[in-house]
Amino acid sequence: EPEVTQTPSHQVTQMGQEVILRCVPISNHLYFYWYRQILGQKVEFLVSFYNNEISEKSEIFDDQFSVERPDGSNFTLKIRSTKLEDSAMYFCASSERGDSPLHFGNGTRLTVT
Amino acid sequence: AQSVTQLGSHVSVSEGALVLLRCNYSSSVPPYLFWYVQYPNQGLQLLLKYTSAATLVKGINGFEAEFKKSETSFHLTKPSAHMSDAAEYFCAVSYTGRRALTFGSGTRLQVQP
Repeated sequence: EPEVTQTPSHQVTQMGQEVILRCVPISNHLYFYWYRQILGQKVEFLVSFYNNEISEKSEIFDDQFSVERPDGSNFTLKIRSTKLEDSAMYFCASSERGDSPLHFGNGTRLTVT
Repeated sequence: AQSVTQLGSHVSVSEGALVLLRCNYSSSVPPYLFWYVQYPNQGLQLLLKYTSAATLVKGINGFEAEFKKSETSFHLTKPSAHMSDAAEYFCAVSYTGRRALTFGSGTRLQVQP
């Protein structure tokens, strides 16, 4: 069964550095998402992306964050100037249509020191 | 505004016993409701979804959930627990026109031999 793949599985960075989290969605899916889960807390929506633009974002997704689909297969989340509180598990997801179920990747654990 | 409440952050059952994981939602419009399961070090996997068709929804691995509008509930059940069901379970809600999922805080299911 096709799956969403995320790399790396674990990223450690120093406060103030930029990180790029990478995702390869399922190939025929058109909608892409980022969620995050701070340790011990809820899974939170960050952003959704369709037709090469952000279709929806949460209040968490401020100017520190950006997303990009640089080619036909990758979907990236960039965090500029990371803060300690950005430490979390970041999940990428994709769906075939807007009303289709989301398929999640295994996540990237980001640790900011 | 939509929200999801999962009663019980931890549930422990014996192998072979009934599994009941509770989820209540609040939504100002008819919701779509989902249950996801997360095994250790893995992403979120869709168990089942409710999208205004049948109120009793059957999912994978023998799980099912019943949408009860009068109780604003979408509890997850399985008649007989198996050791492999030990995982974290998340209830989530969305609605037409907004693809973002709002997740509950999760319930960790333990299955005792």
